[in-house]
Amino acid sequence: ILNVEQSPQSLHVQEGDSTNFTCSFPSSNFYALHWYRWETAKSPEALFVMTLNGDEKKKGRISATLNTKEGYSYLYIKGSQPEDSATYLCALGSSGGSYIPTFGRGTSLIVHP
Amino acid sequence: NAGVTQTPKFRILKIGQSMTLQCTQDMNHNYMYWYRQDPGMGLKLIYYSVGAGITDKGEVPNGYNVSRSTTEDFPLRLELAAPSQTSVYFCASLLNTEAFFGQGTRLTVV
Repeated sequence: ILNVEQSPQSLHVQEGDSTNFTCSFPSSNFYALHWYRWETAKSPEALFVMTLNGDEKKKGRISATLNTKEGYSYLYIKGSQPEDSATYLCALGSSGGSYIPTFGRGTSLIVHP
Repeated sequence: NAGVTQTPKFRILKIGQSMTLQCTQDMNHNYMYWYRQDPGMGLKLIYYSVGAGITDKGEVPNGYNVSRSTTEDFPLRLELAAPSQTSVYFCASLLNTEAFFGQGTRLTVV
């Protein structure tokens, strides 16, 4: 069982603040890392997939980076808006054998107007 | 395109009852998974399947069974419901490395 850690567990910010979360994972046998956005009463939806060390992805005000050598990924939100409120999950996929995404516990973000 | 469809969305079971959570995907994905999500915890893998006719246990399989007779369907069976199985259950399928989730089933065992 792989250990995928996310921090912080929850975060409250004011509208307009920029924020970031961390996903830590074992670097051995790395294959891919996904970030998912999970809104209340909905199902998780993929934001980014990253596979290469140094990868950076961006979608609007949200971006992510990946360091496979030290085993971490950052998700950044610039100028948070109330509609960004959600739980952000990271999921690690490893090479070798069946592909089983291992999820972190998520970071719950609440953006206050 | 329906994606991954789970039924029911909500269910209350009495201790000892049985039920099947249905999961269907129309994307022809080989990999499918069942996860449960408890408050404050991450998604824990119950069972998974790499294709029709093949299933395997995940991290928390006790009290559950699955089958995969077709590529589309991956039902999860609870034979003797216990309060510890109160949770939200998610079915997912995989394309490349991206998981596509159903809407979830909120199950309460009383």
